[in-house]
Amino acid sequence: NAGVTQTPKFRVLKTGQSMTLLCAQDMNHEYMYWYRQDPGMGLRLIHYSVGEGTTAKGEVPDGYNVSRLKKQNFLLGLESAAPSQTSVYFCASSYNQGYEQYFGPGTRLTVT
Amino acid sequence: AQSVTQLDSQVPVFEEAPVELRCNYSSSVSVYLFWYVQYPNQGLQLLLKYLSGSTLVKGINGFEAEFNKSQTSFHLRKPSVHISDTAEYFCAVSDHYTSGSRLTFGEGTQLTVNP
Repeated sequence: NAGVTQTPKFRVLKTGQSMTLLCAQDMNHEYMYWYRQDPGMGLRLIHYSVGEGTTAKGEVPDGYNVSRLKKQNFLLGLESAAPSQTSVYFCASSYNQGYEQYFGPGTRLTVT
Repeated sequence: AQSVTQLDSQVPVFEEAPVELRCNYSSSVSVYLFWYVQYPNQGLQLLLKYLSGSTLVKGINGFEAEFNKSQTSFHLRKPSVHISDTAEYFCAVSDHYTSGSRLTFGEGTQLTVNP
C-alpha cells in the first residue's frame, strides 16, 4: 500500500496563477482532508470531504476550492494564487471522522 | 468547540534523558486523543492514540501518554530519548459524539535531543 500520496512535492507560482494539488489514497477511506501548515500555527483545516461527491469548508477555506469526483482522490485548487498562500499543504484520510488520520508527505508551495 | 494547547513550543533535552511534552485540551464531551510526530520535511505519523479503556497508552518508538480526564491533559513521555527523536510533536483531539467532528491540532512542540 502506498497510503496517501501527494503531487507535486514542490511548486513555485507567481501571484495570480492557478494550480491544482492532487491527493490520492489507497486505503478505501471515506474521509479526506486538506490542511495547511505554517510556522507556529500548527495545522489548519482548509476543506474536507465525507465521501465521494461531497466537500465541506474547514477553518480557512477562502481562496481554495476542492473536488472529490472519485473516492480515492481529493483535489485542492488555487484559482488565483496570493503570497499569503505560501505554505506546506498536507492531505490526510481517515476511516471515519474523529478517528486517526493518515497523512501524505506534503506539498511545499511558494507564491511570489 | 474543542481546542488543544501544547504548553511548550520548544523542548531541548540531552540524549538518554527523560522527556515530557505537555498537552491540555478543552471539550464539553468525551474525546479521542492523539499524538503525532513530524520529522523534517515529512508528513505526520501517528505515535499513539487514546480512544477508551486504560488511561496509559503505549505507542511506537518507546513513547507513552496518560489520559487524565480531571485535568483534561494528555502528556507524552519517554524515559530515555535518542538523537533520532528530534522532531516536531503534535497533540490532537476529536469530539467523537458530534456529527461532523474532526481533529483539532495543537500548535506543536519541537523536541531537540542534543548529544
